[in-house]
Amino acid sequence: RKEVEQDPGPFNVPEGATVAFNCTYSNSASQSFFWYRQDCRKEPKLLMSVYSSGNEDGRFTAQLNRASQYISLLIRDSKLSDSATYLCVVTGYSSASKIIFGSGTRLSIRP
Amino acid sequence: EAGVTQSPTHLIKTRGQQATLRCSPISGHTSVYWYQQALGLGLQFLLWYDEGEERNRGNFPPRFSGRQFPNYSSELNVNALELEDSALYLCASSVSPGQPISQETQYFGPGTRLLVL
Repeated sequence: RKEVEQDPGPFNVPEGATVAFNCTYSNSASQSFFWYRQDCRKEPKLLMSVYSSGNEDGRFTAQLNRASQYISLLIRDSKLSDSATYLCVVTGYSSASKIIFGSGTRLSIRP
Repeated sequence: EAGVTQSPTHLIKTRGQQATLRCSPISGHTSVYWYQQALGLGLQFLLWYDEGEERNRGNFPPRFSGRQFPNYSSELNVNALELEDSALYLCASSVSPGQPISQETQYFGPGTRLLVL
């Protein structure tokens, strides 16, 4: 089993739709979680951190479910510019922890 | 403010050769991370340097190595290149983690595309 797993997609949704995808992780000791966005042939950029209580940034909502060991990203009122690959990142607590990126979920928003 | 820079942007080598990739972090950042992004495989963590020392490495063979210089720039060296080393190599930087590394946002460079023939 991979340490971090994401549905590769692609998710193809119409503009204005709400879309959500999950990322599961295998190490219950994982402490920090992030969502990155990567546009085609570009470097990843931090979208948002994922806090235990869940957090929202505009149209984006991230949540953490420790019991089931997954994080989620919800995008409301999707825009064409949201088309990208979304990577989840999971790390541990100590400085010896490795940083694990998921393989990414491709999202395509159609007009 | 200048972002993370990497050079070269593209590199073509043949099997068995050595490749050297370079990264300059954002000013004020002391941590540098290297990742490999092979087609369809997602980002794989390679190495983490902080304050000139290697802090952690991913599951890669020893022919992947690197170093960090006093100015916090970094080199990634790949010896005895194999065809499967063809990938995008991304460098990221962050401030030195006074708290666990995982708390710090990483900022990525544009990457070096390595092609091994």
